[in-house]
Amino acid sequence: GAVVSQHPSWVICKSGTSVKIECRSLDFQATTMFWYRQFPKQSLMLMATSNEGSKATYEQGVEKDKFLINHASLTLSTLTVTSAHPEDSSFYICSARDLAGGNSPLHFGNGTRLTVT
Amino acid sequence: AQSVAQPEDQVNVAEGNPLTVKCTYSVSGNPYLFWYVQYPNRGLQFLLKYITGDNLVKGSYGFEAEFNKSQTSFHLKKPSALVSDSALYFCAVRDMGNAGNMLTFGGGTRLMVKP
Repeated sequence: GAVVSQHPSWVICKSGTSVKIECRSLDFQATTMFWYRQFPKQSLMLMATSNEGSKATYEQGVEKDKFLINHASLTLSTLTVTSAHPEDSSFYICSARDLAGGNSPLHFGNGTRLTVT
Repeated sequence: AQSVAQPEDQVNVAEGNPLTVKCTYSVSGNPYLFWYVQYPNRGLQFLLKYITGDNLVKGSYGFEAEFNKSQTSFHLKKPSALVSDSALYFCAVRDMGNAGNMLTFGGGTRLMVKP
């Protein structure tokens, strides 16, 4: 079945540094990928919709200059957390739908646990 | 606007007993409904979906869900729970008319199956 690979699975970084998270669709093409953030014991919150070849669409309250999203190809989207701070520590999950779209479900990566010290 | 409610933060059930995880939704049009399961520190795995057709949908690992339009519900069920079913379960909805394909998730329900 469709697989979404997310890398790294976990990362620890120092405050003020930047971290890049990659999301790849391994056996299908995705014009649209979604980035979610999950706080402990809470549901997933959509951060932004990543569109191949164009600017991402950010949800209200999400700083686009802090969470840079690039969707350079039909199989790769990246999320860069710039100048990370401890409050950015969270679990980030990407998802994608097959280019065929329609009623197919979203496929999720395994998530990236970011810890900012 | 679309929304999903999972009224129970946690459901406890003994192994071998039937389980139900509740979900109600609200959309302006017709819904696409999904259930996902999340294991610790992992992404979400797709369990099942309702698009159209039979109200009872069968999915992975023996799970099923029943679409009830009048009650706007999509409860997840399994006849006989396993300890390995213990995880976090998310219900999600997408409005059929939503061109942005955005899913809205419920708050999640933690299922604890005890031996």
